[in-house]
Amino acid sequence: NAGVTQTPKFRVLKTGQSMTLLCAQDMNHEYMYWYRQDPGMGLRLIHYSVGEGTTAKGEVPDGYNVSRLKKQNFLLGLESAAPSQTSVYFCASSLLGDTEAFFGQGTRLTVV
Amino acid sequence: GENVEQHPSTLSVQEGDSAVIKCTYSDSASNYFPWYKQELGKRPQLIIDIRSNVGEKKDQRIAVTLNKTAKHFSLHITETQPEDSAVYFCAASGTSGGSYIPTFGRGTSLIVHP
Repeated sequence: NAGVTQTPKFRVLKTGQSMTLLCAQDMNHEYMYWYRQDPGMGLRLIHYSVGEGTTAKGEVPDGYNVSRLKKQNFLLGLESAAPSQTSVYFCASSLLGDTEAFFGQGTRLTVV
Repeated sequence: GENVEQHPSTLSVQEGDSAVIKCTYSDSASNYFPWYKQELGKRPQLIIDIRSNVGEKKDQRIAVTLNKTAKHFSLHITETQPEDSAVYFCAASGTSGGSYIPTFGRGTSLIVHP
C-alpha cells in the first residue's frame, strides 16, 4: 500500500502562472482534504471532499479550486499563483471525518 | 464551524521531564480528538486519539484526557526523550454541512534537551 501520494514534491512558480497538485490514495477513503501549512499557523483547511464528485470550501479557499472526479484522486488547482500562496501543501484522506487522517508527504510551493 | 486553540506554541523540557499540551474546542458536537506528531520535514502522523465517550486513554508514555464539559483536551508525555522533539497538533472533528470535519490547532513545538 502506498497510502497517500502527492505530486510534485517541490515546485517554483512565477506570479500569475497556474498549476495543479495531484493527490492519490489507495485506501478507499471517502474523505479527502487539502491543507496548507505556514509557520505558526498550523494546518489550515483549503478545500475538502466527502465523496467522489463532491467538494466543499474550508477555512482558506480563495485562489484555489479542486476536483474529485475519481474517488482515489483529489486535485488542487491554482489558476493565477500569488506570492501569498507560497507554502507547504498537504493532502490527507480518512475513511470518515471523525477517523484517523493519513497525510501525503507534502508539496513545497514557492511563488516568486 | 469548529475553532481549536492550542497552547503553548513552544515547550522546552529536559530529558526525563513530563510535557503537557492543551487544546480547547468550540463545537459541543465534536466527537473525535486526535493528536498528530510531525517531525522536521516529515508528514504529520497520528500518535493517539480519543472519542467523546471516553475521558482518558493511555499508550505507554503518552496519554490524552478529555473534559467535554469544559471543552478541552490535553496530551501528556512522560519521561520525555530527545526523539520526542517534534511539532504536535491537536484536532477536533466538528460538524460542517452535515459532516464531521477535522479542525487543527496551530501546533506546539516540543524541544527535549538531552
